Amino acid sequence: GENVEQHPSTLSVQEGDSAVIKCTYSDSASNYFPWYKQELGKRPQLIIDIRSNVGEKKDQRIAVTLNKTAKHFSLHITETQPEDSAVYFCAANRGSYIPTFGRGTSLIVHP
Amino acid sequence: EAGVAQSPRYKIIEKRQSVAFWCNPISGHATLYWYQQILGQGPKLLIQFQNNGVVDDSQLPKDRFSAERLKGVDSTLKIQPAKLEDSAVYLCASSPDRFNEQFFGPGTRLTVL
Repeated sequence: GENVEQHPSTLSVQEGDSAVIKCTYSDSASNYFPWYKQELGKRPQLIIDIRSNVGEKKDQRIAVTLNKTAKHFSLHITETQPEDSAVYFCAANRGSYIPTFGRGTSLIVHP
Repeated sequence: EAGVAQSPRYKIIEKRQSVAFWCNPISGHATLYWYQQILGQGPKLLIQFQNNGVVDDSQLPKDRFSAERLKGVDSTLKIQPAKLEDSAVYLCASSPDRFNEQFFGPGTRLTVL
């Protein structure tokens, strides 16, 4: 089955800095890669996603890049703000669209 | 539109007892997922329904867990008997189909003593 590795497990940055979270996947058939943000005690919410026919996607301060050859994808957050503090999960969906999640990255943005 | 509803929000039981969780997906969503999220980990898919049929239940511990989605709308997840390691948040999610964004419910936090 699919295996998704996510790094780092914890990321601490100063407000205004950039943050990068990286994920690798094992199944070359995976073709949909969403990123979820989960605030403490709340449900995961999709913040951005990318499909395998695209190399990069941006939405305001967040962007995702995908390298299919290397089987890794990354989340980039620029100009971080305290409200960006949360746990971020990457996921990879196999051809049958059954998602496998990474273990999560706890992002802490210090004011 | 109304979101995914789950109940109860919290449940505390003793090991070997039974428990059931309920999920009402967003109206019109054909795909429904049940996840187990252990503290400090990402959600792990337990079972995926497409309408009232099971798409994948390969990670569902079938000796103690069962799930159904009668009529292709609401779903229930049952654990019988519960073990200590079942303590987790059980998340339900729905999607218009298998190829798009999932919308998560608030989850049920289960504590097994």
